Amino acid sequence: AQSVSQHNHHVILSEAASLELGCNYSYGGTVNLFWYVQYPGQHLQLLLKYFSGDPLVKGIKGFEAEFIKSKFSFNLRKPSVQWSDTAEYFCAVTHGSSNTGKLIFGQGTTLQVKP
Amino acid sequence: EAGVAQSPRYKIIEKRQSVAFWCNPISGHATLYWYQQILGQGPKLLIQFQNNGVVDDSQLPKDRFSAERLKGVDSTLKIQPAKLEDSAVYLCASSTRLGQYFGPGTRLLVL
Repeated sequence: AQSVSQHNHHVILSEAASLELGCNYSYGGTVNLFWYVQYPGQHLQLLLKYFSGDPLVKGIKGFEAEFIKSKFSFNLRKPSVQWSDTAEYFCAVTHGSSNTGKLIFGQGTTLQVKP
Repeated sequence: EAGVAQSPRYKIIEKRQSVAFWCNPISGHATLYWYQQILGQGPKLLIQFQNNGVVDDSQLPKDRFSAERLKGVDSTLKIQPAKLEDSAVYLCASSTRLGQYFGPGTRLLVL
């Protein structure tokens, strides 16, 4: 079955530390890749997305992600985290070129940033 | 632009009772989704509509869950009768080709 795997369930960092959250997916065809963020008490928000083209995509709030097709990975990075980045992060994929299919989510990574 | 609206935000019911959730997508979005998010897991699709037609309901427990989108805009998701394991957040999303946009969700607790 198609799946998305996030390697870290809970990450604790100090402010200014660098962040990398791992995401791997299992599907050999065309994929569209997403990172969503859920801040405490808020709804899921789109952080960044990859459809095609440059495999290094930049999103909001200084986040970026790199699509490595050979590794089936789409890791999320940020050079210097802030306390306000404390949230839950979800990697997700859709299949096919239309991008209106269902999102398949990973189990999420809880990021806690200590001030 | 207004976001996806959902109501109620919270609901507590006893098992075997029925419950309904409402969703109003972003104006002009033809595709609407209902996801179930159990605590500690990522959201999982229950049903996807394209206008008022069902595209994917393969993961919808049809013996107890039903959903409709009669006029291709608002949607209702119903659970009857509810079980303890239905305790979750029910998320509605709507989309364009650029991505899916989520509502705040309805948090359901079944006692």
